[in-house]
Amino acid sequence: EAQVTQNPRYLITVTGKKLTVTCSQNMNHEYMSWYRQDPGLGLRQIYYSMNVEVTDKGDVPEGYKVSRKEKRNFPLILESPSPNQTSLYFCASSLSNLGDEQYFGPGTRLTVT
Amino acid sequence: QKEVEQNSGPLSVPEGAIASLNCTYSDRGSQSFFWYRQYSGKSPELIMSIYSNGDKEDGRFTAQLNKASQYVSLLIRDSQPSDSATYLCAVNSGGYQKVTFGIGTKLQVIP
Repeated sequence: EAQVTQNPRYLITVTGKKLTVTCSQNMNHEYMSWYRQDPGLGLRQIYYSMNVEVTDKGDVPEGYKVSRKEKRNFPLILESPSPNQTSLYFCASSLSNLGDEQYFGPGTRLTVT
Repeated sequence: QKEVEQNSGPLSVPEGAIASLNCTYSDRGSQSFFWYRQYSGKSPELIMSIYSNGDKEDGRFTAQLNKASQYVSLLIRDSQPSDSATYLCAVNSGGYQKVTFGIGTKLQVIP
């Protein structure tokens, strides 16, 4: 089954404790992206990747890191999480960066206390 | 800052009626336009994509694009309670990798 998977689905952590949210797609998509979704603010792009080893900042990259060492994986790293990073996170992928539809993972609900 | 604007709603329509969802965007260079549906607590899923001016129909859904007015809309005919969800407008600028989403319009279909 073609899908985007994320882990964990739910995470409660404390301020400053490094964490990684994994994202994997099995569709051989070139383009992957991370979003956060907050009430009243909608989906905002954190980082995106056009291919292996090619990443760039989205609208809200502060406090986040990403890497793309393999085509299928695009982990999101929070080196020192803070309460303002409490949010619902979505990973998405698309065939290319040329306006194709995006396929979203199930989401990760992160709470930072 | 490229912007995509939607009315957050809620937009309430009776079952069987036509629901009309609207979206405006600021970047005249935008070339790809999408409507995603998102049920509460779930991830967005694509409903329609449109790339050229005019109408595009798929079942009960019609997307309309007017690039001169920088306006894209989604019509849902014969609305059903199962259509109750938040509808996200997304815009991708040609040659530019970033996709910008609107905040979404919450649609409520009343039985």
